[in-house]
Formats: sequence, C-alpha cells, structure tokens
Amino acid sequence: GENVEQHPSTLSVQEGDSAVIKCTYSDSASNYFPWYKQELGKRPQLIIDIRSNVGEKKDQRIAVTLNKTAKHFSLHITETQPEDSAVYFCAARYSGGYQKVTFGTGTKLQVIP
Amino acid sequence: DGGITQSPKYLFRKEGQNVTLSCEQNLNHDAMYWYRQDPGQGLRLIYYSQIVNDFQKGDIAEGYSVSREKKESFPLTVTSAQKNPTAFYLCASSILGQPSYEQYFGPGTRLTVT
Repeated sequence: GENVEQHPSTLSVQEGDSAVIKCTYSDSASNYFPWYKQELGKRPQLIIDIRSNVGEKKDQRIAVTLNKTAKHFSLHITETQPEDSAVYFCAARYSGGYQKVTFGTGTKLQVIP
Repeated sequence: DGGITQSPKYLFRKEGQNVTLSCEQNLNHDAMYWYRQDPGQGLRLIYYSQIVNDFQKGDIAEGYSVSREKKESFPLTVTSAQKNPTAFYLCASSILGQPSYEQYFGPGTRLTVT
C-alpha cells in the first residue's frame, strides 16, 4: 500500500520567515495530494491540494510543489504569521478503485512572534 | 462547522467494554471514513465506506467494527479486542470522484479506556 513520509516533525520559524514541509510517497499510482491544517483542539481542514498533472499551485501565501519523478511534494508558507501555528498533514490519494487517502505523520509548525 | 458531527466529544470506558462512536453527516456525501489520531503518528485509517452496506478495512482495522446502514451515518465500535483503544477518533466524509476529493472532518471523539 501507499506510504507517506513527512519531514520535519516539528518546525519553528520567526514571524515573517518562510516555512517548508516536505513529503514523499511510495505509490506512483497516487494522483492527488492534499494538505490539511489542524489547529489545536480543532478538526483538520484542507488548505491546498494538487493533482498529479500539475507541478505547482499557489494560493496567496501558500504554495505546493509536486515532483512526480522523485515522488515528493512540498508545502511552502511565506511571510508566516502566528495564526499559521498548527499541525500540518500531507496526504496522497491512490488512483485505484477505492477512494483511500494515506496521511503523513504531521508537522507541528510554531511561528514565533 | 456544520455538516458532519460526532458524539460524544469525550468518552470514558472501562477496559473490556465495547463502545460505539457516532458519526453523522448531512452533506449528502457518499464516502465516509474513520481515522485514529495518536501523537506523532498522524491520521491512521481504520475503516472507510463508499456506499451504503459496503465498507473496507483500512490500515488498522483490528479490534474495530463499523456499519453503514444509512448514507448519513457511519458508527464505529471499538471492541474489547482493541489492545490500545485510548485515542482521538476522527470521522470524515467526501464526495466520490471529481471535482474534489476533499475530506470534511468531524470534531472528533476523545476516548479514554482505563
């Protein structure tokens, strides 16, 4: 089955700096890669996603890049703010019959004011 | 925040007892999922279902059971066979196929077994 590895497990940045979280996946048949943000005590929510036919996608201060050949994708957050502090999960969806998504182990991002 | 609900928010049980966690959605989503969240281990899939009366085991199904008698409901039973049941349980739902595979999560149930 699919295996998703995520690094780093914790990340501290100064407010205004950039943050990068990296994920690798194992199944070349995966075709959809979402990122979820989970604030303390709250449910995970989708913040950005990318499909396998696209190399990069941006949404304001957030961007995701995908390298299909190397089977890795990354989340980039620019001009970080304290409200960006949360746990971020990457995931990969297998393109086969069942809609199964495998999540990474999460990155706890702390933005220091 | 509406759309998918889980109850109760906190649940306490004695070891050896079965317990059922509720998950209901009014989003008209076909697919529903149960995840277990432990510190440092991300979200691990327990069971998922794409249609009524059909469900598939996820990566950690042992000691758990589910049913999908209605499209809106996907209850999870944590049985006494689950060796380490204390965890945070998240239910999610999604539409099937395009244009979006986004999963909508419930608020979660924190289960403590002593």
